[in-house]
Amino acid sequence: EADIYQTPRYLVIGTGKKITLECSQTMGHDKMYWYQQDPGMELHLIHYSYGVNSTEKGDLSSESTVSRIRTEHFPLTLESARPSHTSQYLCASSEATGGGETQYFGPGTRLLVL
Amino acid sequence: AQSVTQPDIHITVSEGASLELRCNYSYGATPYLFWYVQSPGQGLQLLLKYFSGDTLVQGIKGFEAEFKRSQSSFNLRKPSVHWSDAAEYFCAVGALGGSYIPTFGRGTSLIVHP
Repeated sequence: EADIYQTPRYLVIGTGKKITLECSQTMGHDKMYWYQQDPGMELHLIHYSYGVNSTEKGDLSSESTVSRIRTEHFPLTLESARPSHTSQYLCASSEATGGGETQYFGPGTRLLVL
Repeated sequence: AQSVTQPDIHITVSEGASLELRCNYSYGATPYLFWYVQSPGQGLQLLLKYFSGDTLVQGIKGFEAEFKRSQSSFNLRKPSVHWSDAAEYFCAVGALGGSYIPTFGRGTSLIVHP
């Protein structure tokens, strides 16, 4: 059983609000990821991290930011939410072994921006 | 860059029938290949993965997949489907080098009729 947690699970918020989606893992994994998931679409990588103080942007252009101050914690922040941000956000983690690692996913946060 | 195609958006099978979900990938060398399953309201869970060696890979929950280099395919199979197998299935391809982060397909939704 993977030990990766996301809060909140569901969030409804108005346009222009600042929000932070939380992600924590207890497996001591160095690599962490944020994906955006929409129905019938590929998972789009929006941010990832190789370890503490490391953050990289993924393939999908995003208006969000991330931080990695602690190994276990990888929060995603939207400074000003817009309806186009409505989606499901998945957090994942993996060991850093140079390729082919299994990713462990959290249950996701469903975001609705009105 | 690697890419993966899952040509079937939905697959409907009767309980007890056999199942095959298709996955085709594009990558210049031997890839890392994965199948993940996502049940409603949950994150993705690894079913199986292939790196090298035996091209027939056994996974959890009675699933298997076969790597066919000549066809650039990694199809997922199960001989007898259970109602609890109804879920979204994602194929992913990873590569050596770069960020080592897999690329996911759009997913195939499996519907199981009683």
